[in-house]
Amino acid sequence: EVHLVESGGGLVQPEGSLRLSCAASGFTFSNFYMTWVRQAPGKGLEWVANVNGNGNAEYYLDSVKGRFTISRDNAKNSLFLQMNSLTVDDTAVYYCARGGAYDLFFWGQGALVTVSS
Amino acid sequence: DVVLTQSPLSLSVTPGQPASISCKSNQNLLHREGKTYLHWYLQKPGQSLQILLYEISSRFSGVPDRFSGSGSGTDFTLRISRVEAEDVGIYYCMQGTHLPLTFGQGTRLEI
Repeated sequence: EVHLVESGGGLVQPEGSLRLSCAASGFTFSNFYMTWVRQAPGKGLEWVANVNGNGNAEYYLDSVKGRFTISRDNAKNSLFLQMNSLTVDDTAVYYCARGGAYDLFFWGQGALVTVSS
Repeated sequence: DVVLTQSPLSLSVTPGQPASISCKSNQNLLHREGKTYLHWYLQKPGQSLQILLYEISSRFSGVPDRFSGSGSGTDFTLRISRVEAEDVGIYYCMQGTHLPLTFGQGTRLEI
C-alpha cells in the first residue's frame, strides 16, 4: 500500500526558511516522478514543483523559482522541498504526491506551513 | 497555463439522486501521444485528495461504479449516478497534459 507522509511544516517568519520532507513507502520510489502541491487556506490547489525519478530534472511554479528547491534521496525513499525567502503568500498546506509527469495518483496528508510575523 | 473552469461551484443533492460536474479547459487536453490527461479527485472533509477517475473515464481501484467520466478535447464531465452520504466533499478536475499541472477551482458537493 502506498504511503506518503509529510513532515517539517510549522510557523516561520517572512524571509525565513523551512524544509519539508516526504517519506514514501509501498512502491519503488525511484521509478516515479514526485510532486509538491499546495493549498492556501480556503483556496484551491496549486502545483509547486516536481522532480523526475532520478532527480536530475526539476520543474517549478514561476512564483517559487529561485526560492524553492525540490530534491529527493532515492536510497531513503524521501522527497524534500527546501523553501527560502518565504512570504505570507506561501502560507498553505503542502502535499507530497506520487507522479507528476501526467498524473498524481497518491497524495500525503499534507504539512501546514504558516508564514507570519 | 491551462485554466480549468468547473461548474457548478457548489451543489446540494438528495441521496439517491444523480449529480454532474463540468470541467472546461481553455486548451485542448489531448496529448501528442494520444492520451488525454484529465483526472478527477475528491477531497473529503479534513482529508487529503483521492483520485476517482484518470484519463477522463478510467475508475481508479476501489472507486464505485456510480462514478463515471466523459468528454474530450476541452469539455469534460464527472457524473455520480446515485449520490451517497459518503460522497460529500470537494471535487477537483486536474490536467496533466500541459505543464504546469493545473486544477479546477473545485466543486463542493453537499447532501
